[in-house]
Amino acid sequence: AQSVTQLGSHVSVSEGALVLLRCNYSSSVPPYLFWYVQYPNQGLQLLLKYTSAATLVKGINGFEAEFKKSETSFHLTKPSAHMSDAAEYFCAVTRNYGGSQGNLIFGKGTKLSVKP
Amino acid sequence: DAGVIQSPRHEVTEMGQEVTLRCKPISGHNSLFWYRQTMMRGLELLIYFNNNVPIDDSGMPEDRFSAKMPNASFSTLKIQPSEPRDSAVYFCASSADYTGELFFGEGSRLTVL
Repeated sequence: AQSVTQLGSHVSVSEGALVLLRCNYSSSVPPYLFWYVQYPNQGLQLLLKYTSAATLVKGINGFEAEFKKSETSFHLTKPSAHMSDAAEYFCAVTRNYGGSQGNLIFGKGTKLSVKP
Repeated sequence: DAGVIQSPRHEVTEMGQEVTLRCKPISGHNSLFWYRQTMMRGLELLIYFNNNVPIDDSGMPEDRFSAKMPNASFSTLKIQPSEPRDSAVYFCASSADYTGELFFGEGSRLTVL
């Protein structure tokens, strides 16, 4: 069975500091991995996705994530936090349906706070 | 192009009443998902349709919940009778392919008193 674990339900950084949000996955087959962001009272938006091409994936708003198979990790980073990055971030992995990916399994989410 | 459209955005009802949530997916998308989000349980998949056919409904909590997709542009999630523990934000999402990139609506916030 596939699953994701996000370490830390709440992360706080200062504006301009490095953002690091951790995600570890479990999958019996090569996974597709995703990071989504949710701003208050909104739905989730895709930040970036890994689909077995380059292991370093660049997304929107300056975020990137690196797929590390040996560590079963897909951590999200951004070199310099901005106040507008304050949101909840979800890591997700696909679930296979007869060999075809489809549904996503989400982690519990990490709330990012950015201090001025 | 319009995104996923959900209605109503907010619903307050009393225990025992029927609740119907509606979703219009993005045109051309062939997969549709209903998720429920709560503080305690996070995001849970309720049901997943592909080409209007339910593929996986193992997340539907119990017989009080039902979902339909009569055509490619419309889906409903019905709760009858509703209970306070059903209070949550319900999201609809659609997808064009099997890579798992989902497009979410803004959600329907349900409060059952």
